[in-house]
Amino acid sequence: EAQVTQNPRYLITVTGKKLTVTCSQNMNHEYMSWYRQDPGLGLRQIYYSMNVEVTDKGDVPEGYKVSRKEKRNFPLILESPSPNQTSLYFCASSLSRAGRTEAFFGQGTRLTVV
Amino acid sequence: SQQGEEDPQALSIQEGENATMNCSYKTSINNLQWYRQNSGRGLVHLILIRSNEREKHSGRLRVTLDTSKKSSSLLITASRAADTASYFCATDNYGQNFVFGPGTRLSVLP
Repeated sequence: EAQVTQNPRYLITVTGKKLTVTCSQNMNHEYMSWYRQDPGLGLRQIYYSMNVEVTDKGDVPEGYKVSRKEKRNFPLILESPSPNQTSLYFCASSLSRAGRTEAFFGQGTRLTVV
Repeated sequence: SQQGEEDPQALSIQEGENATMNCSYKTSINNLQWYRQNSGRGLVHLILIRSNEREKHSGRLRVTLDTSKKSSSLLITASRAADTASYFCATDNYGQNFVFGPGTRLSVLP
């Protein structure tokens, strides 16, 4: 089954404690991206990757890092989380660059930073 | 930068009625997509319409695109309780960003 898998689904952490949210896709997609969703703001792109070792900033990259060492994986790293990073996070993948083809989304990671 | 804006923000209808949601955007696009999100879950792709297309159908969904007005509409016919969800339009404006609007919350009452 074609899918994008994120882990964990729920996470509560404390300010400053480094964390990683994993994302893996099994569709051999080149394009992967991370979004955060906040009430009234829709989805905003954090980072995206066009292929292995190629990543770039989206609209709200501050406080986040990503890496793309393998085609299937695109982890999101919060080196020093802060309360304003409390949000619902989604990983997505698509066959080609953003918007050209349909995007497949993970089930989301609800992060709370206290 | 928020490209698409859905309208209305929220919509309540009775089962069996049609639901229409609109999306307006600001810059030229390559294509426009509609997605559905059930409460707190991942987005599911519904339909993609390219800039040279005016109308597209998929089951009970009908999407129109008017590039001169920079707007699109999503029509769900004969709605069901299971259609209750948030609906987002997303635009591909030739960049690397895929820009979503804030969404329309649809409630279909039994």
